[in-house]
Amino acid sequence: SQQGEEDPQALSIQEGENATMNCSYKTSINNLQWYRQNSGRGLVHLILIRSNEREKHSGRLRVTLDTSKKSSSLLITASRAADTASYFCATMTTDSWGKLQFGAGTQVVVTP
Amino acid sequence: DGGITQSPKYLFRKEGQNVTLSCEQNLNHDAMYWYRQDPGQGLRLIYYSQIVNDFQKGDIAEGYSVSREKKESFPLTVTSAQKNPTAFYLCASSIGVGQGRYEQFFGPGTRLTVL
Repeated sequence: SQQGEEDPQALSIQEGENATMNCSYKTSINNLQWYRQNSGRGLVHLILIRSNEREKHSGRLRVTLDTSKKSSSLLITASRAADTASYFCATMTTDSWGKLQFGAGTQVVVTP
Repeated sequence: DGGITQSPKYLFRKEGQNVTLSCEQNLNHDAMYWYRQDPGQGLRLIYYSQIVNDFQKGDIAEGYSVSREKKESFPLTVTSAQKNPTAFYLCASSIGVGQGRYEQFFGPGTRLTVL
């Protein structure tokens, strides 16, 4: 069973707009990670947020974590055509050190 | 040039054949992982290894086998017992949980098609 589930499944925006996607999970986590996958390629790690953190930034990315709601969000600001990709959240639970559970992903299309 | 390499990029298999997918890393990572990705879905863990000469089953290990004889290599064999092997296979590595670092680094993937 999948631990993380992303919402929405797909998102289409124009360059310059912000893109927000959400991830919900079921059990207690040690950390939550976001990855990007361009079509037909491997995944690239974007950002990791630990269970005791509430918000984290990296460039145009902002990640929030609400452990009481078991949810996280990824915000991409001022999106570019190069941001077109699928975005996955992955959780590492407190009893499965090293193993990640991936959601089904959000497919983001940014049009010029 | 450090990273993870997977070969081949594309692989075609006849039903009833075993095939082996290669995964090599020169990042000096302790942990390595194999995932399967089906169209429009997330990744599912097949096998993982936290250290040389040791590996554990993931969520969908049936029909697959692995070995970890060297730190840098973690080959995956898709056996004839795997009923629906057509998928995109991704290998990943991480420094190791003992180091307090949890992010995984992925190879480019192997697309396996059963004819």
